[in-house]
Amino acid sequence: GDSVTQMEGPVTLSEEAFLTINCTYTATGYPSLFWYVQYPGEGLQLLLKATKADDKGSNKGFEATYRKETTSFHLEKGSVQVSDSAVYFCALSDRGNDYKLSFGAGTTVTVRA
Amino acid sequence: DARVTQTPRHKVTEMGQEVTMRCQPILGHNTVFWYRQTMMQGLELLAYFRNRAPLDDSGMPKDRFSAEMPDATLATLKIQPSEPRDSAVYFCASGLAAGTGARYEQFFGPGTRLTVL
Repeated sequence: GDSVTQMEGPVTLSEEAFLTINCTYTATGYPSLFWYVQYPGEGLQLLLKATKADDKGSNKGFEATYRKETTSFHLEKGSVQVSDSAVYFCALSDRGNDYKLSFGAGTTVTVRA
Repeated sequence: DARVTQTPRHKVTEMGQEVTMRCQPILGHNTVFWYRQTMMQGLELLAYFRNRAPLDDSGMPKDRFSAEMPDATLATLKIQPSEPRDSAVYFCASGLAAGTGARYEQFFGPGTRLTVL
C-alpha cells in the first residue's frame, strides 16, 4: 500500500537559516506528491505539489522536487522566517487509491528570532 | 474566497454525550472527507463521500461513529456515546473529482477541536 515517511522533528532553527525536511514515499502507482502546512490552531493548507517525475513545486520560498529514482520529495527553504513556524506534512495521492491522501507523521518546525 | 467551513470550532463535552460536528464543503465539490488528528496517531481518514454516497468508512469505529451527507452542502459526523479517547481535532476536507481516475485536490476546513471529559 501507499505510505509516506518524513523526517521526525521537532526542528528548531534560527531566522534566515536553511530548512530541509526529508520525505520518502512508497506507492503502487504513479502518485502525486504534496506538502501541506498547518499553522497553530488552523487546518491544513496546501503548500506545494508535484504531479510527475522531475516536477518542482514551489510556493512562498519553499521548493520540493519529485524524484522518482529515489522516491523522494524533500522540502527546502533557503531562509526561514519566524512566520514559517508550523507543522509540515508530506502526502501522496494515487489513482489506485482514488486519490485519497496518505500523510506522513508531520514535522514540527520552530523558527527563533 | 471559497472555503470549507466547520462547526463548532471547539466542543467540550462529558463522556456518554452525543456530539455532532458539521461541515460545509466548497460549493460544487463532490467529494467530502472526514479526518481525525491526534498526537499519537497523526492524521487518520475516517470516512469519505462522493456525490453524497459513502465510499469508504473503514477508518471509523462503527459502533459509535456515524457520518452522513443529508445534502450536498452539509456533511455531519456524529459520535454517540462519546468517550475520552475520542478527544482529537476533526477535519473535514472537500474536493472535486471530475471523472473516473481524474486527479483532484483536497481543501481542508479549520477543524473541530473535541474534548471529552
